[in-house]
Amino acid sequence: AQKITQTQPGMFVQEKEAVTLDCTYDTSDPSYGLFWYKQPSSGEMIFLIYQGSYDQQNATEGRYSLNFQKARKSANLVISASQLGDSAMYFCAMREGRYGNKLVFGAGTILRVKS
Amino acid sequence: NAGVTQTPKFRILKIGQSMTLQCTQDMNHNYMYWYRQDPGMGLKLIYYSVGAGITDKGEVPNGYNVSRSTTEDFPLRLELAAPSQTSVYFCASSPTAGGAFFGQGTRLTVV
Repeated sequence: AQKITQTQPGMFVQEKEAVTLDCTYDTSDPSYGLFWYKQPSSGEMIFLIYQGSYDQQNATEGRYSLNFQKARKSANLVISASQLGDSAMYFCAMREGRYGNKLVFGAGTILRVKS
Repeated sequence: NAGVTQTPKFRILKIGQSMTLQCTQDMNHNYMYWYRQDPGMGLKLIYYSVGAGITDKGEVPNGYNVSRSTTEDFPLRLELAAPSQTSVYFCASSPTAGGAFFGQGTRLTVV
């Protein structure tokens, strides 16, 4: 069963605007972690942001924030003030259980920032 | 500050050959992972390990084997390479709770 769903294969955003990348997940475990990674064209995987299922506040890291809606099982990534360097593939990932050992990924969303 | 190191970066194998992809981490992480990424696709978990001596299958383990004799090293063995194993392979490590740190990847082509 698909655990992580990213429904947007590709997105465009104008430079300096905000963009939301969607992620929904499926788990029956009350304890889990959600992650976002960035993969630029060079291929490396860059960790961006983490949200724990028991965290009361939405996670933020600089221009990245995670819009966590637990009841809807969604964990959307919001990038504010987009920059040309934000053009990349973005992956949502989930780890189940407090000390869950499997980290599984969604199919990804390609983001292109236009100048 | 090396992090996760994978070798080699590139490799071409002939059908039926075998090889080992090396992965080592210097962060004393318990968890280590091997993923493959086919062109334009997400990452599929091949095998993972929660500590030395403990490994388990992921989503796509067929055609691969792993071992974890030390905390630092987690090699991935390909036996009898097939064209379907042409992919980019990523090794990653993580602490018990938290995000995973990835190596630079190994681009493998089987011809």
